Amino acid sequence: NAGVTQTPKFQVLKTGQSMTLQCAQDMNHEYMSWYRQDPGMGLRLIHYSVGAGITDQGEVPNGYNVSRSTTEDFPLRLLSAAPSQTSVYFCASRARGGDRNTIYFGEGSWLTVV
Amino acid sequence: AQSVSQHNHHVILSEAASLELGCNYSYGGTVNLFWYVQYPGQHLQLLLKYFSGDPLVKGIKGFEAEFIKSKFSFNLRKPSVQWSDTAEYFCAVSSMEYGNKLVFGAGTILRVKS
Repeated sequence: NAGVTQTPKFQVLKTGQSMTLQCAQDMNHEYMSWYRQDPGMGLRLIHYSVGAGITDQGEVPNGYNVSRSTTEDFPLRLLSAAPSQTSVYFCASRARGGDRNTIYFGEGSWLTVV
Repeated sequence: AQSVSQHNHHVILSEAASLELGCNYSYGGTVNLFWYVQYPGQHLQLLLKYFSGDPLVKGIKGFEAEFIKSKFSFNLRKPSVQWSDTAEYFCAVSSMEYGNKLVFGAGTILRVKS
């Protein structure tokens, strides 16, 4: 059981480039979300999804797109990277029923925009 | 808007000292409360959680937290810290009234001197 898998772990981008952070979970969780972690600001919610085909914005959605075509995958797209998007990104998932309040995090993706 | 406040950004302790990290939240309704830990170079892990019942919650590695509803607080404690407790600690809160979105505090970096 792999849990939540994020790729890539490290990435350096030039300003204006686009890229996709991949996230996959094998626990059949309905809820998936993306956070960014910045020093002194904790984790801030970028986008989230409550099920396949349904996405919504979090606290800091600007500059990011998501889609949820399957239950397993929730990619995060940076449309035109900016230095302000240098951060550590975490994908997370949780179930709808049962232990629905326990979130499982991926290992993080360290992104630097130069 | 809902918010979570962690009082200290940096805490430095000697081994065997007692630890208390403060966490306050601004929600008025029913809340679920969490403490997560991130060890250097690793992803977020759940330390403990509170949903209902006994307000004193025991977690892993000797940590505990007490929910005081009247103070909107969920402080994390450990009677005697170890060098291996050096990490960043995040308080987080979710509420059904806010769609069960998890909101994190800014984090507290704990350094334990050996």
